[in-house]
Amino acid sequence: AQSVSQHNHHVILSEAASLELGCNYSYGGTVNLFWYVQYPGQHLQLLLKYFSGDPLVKGIKGFEAEFIKSKFSFNLRKPSVQWSDTAEYFCAVKGAGSQGNLIFGKGTKLSVKP
Amino acid sequence: GAGVSQSPSNKVTEKGKDVELRCDPISGHTALYWYRQRLGQGLEFLIYFQGNSAPDKSGLPSDRFSAERTGESVSTLTIQRTQQEDSAVYLCASSREGSYGYTFGSGTRLTVV
Repeated sequence: AQSVSQHNHHVILSEAASLELGCNYSYGGTVNLFWYVQYPGQHLQLLLKYFSGDPLVKGIKGFEAEFIKSKFSFNLRKPSVQWSDTAEYFCAVKGAGSQGNLIFGKGTKLSVKP
Repeated sequence: GAGVSQSPSNKVTEKGKDVELRCDPISGHTALYWYRQRLGQGLEFLIYFQGNSAPDKSGLPSDRFSAERTGESVSTLTIQRTQQEDSAVYLCASSREGSYGYTFGSGTRLTVV
């Protein structure tokens, strides 16, 4: 069955620390991958996406993610987090070229201490 | 409109009552999705509409749940005989055909008491 695993439920960091949030997926085929962010009290927003080409994708606010096909992973990274990055982060997968819904992970809550 | 609009933003209902949740997608977006987010859990897919095709209802948890969409516009999610486990934030998203980037609404927080 198709699924997305996010290993960390809650991550707590101090400002300026580096961030890496894990995401692994299970899907039998070529995929499109996404990271969404939900800031407190706001709706889900697209952070970045991978469709094809360079496996290192850059998104908004200094975030990036690397698609490693052999590991079925799409980890999210940021070199130096800020207090304003406090949010919940969701990884999602979809079959490339297919209609249908995104499959989301359970989310990782990031708390950044000022 | 500029974004996906959901109403009401909050709904408190008594167990056993029926509720209707509304979603107004972005104009021109042919695809519309409903998800549910229960406390401490991820987004659970419910149903997907694409243009005039038959909807993908594979995520609906029981026959108490149903959804309709008129053409490529408004969608209504109906939950009959609500139960306490239906308490969640119900999220709607839309996207253009051929685009896999969703735009989410702010959700409806449903509390069943």
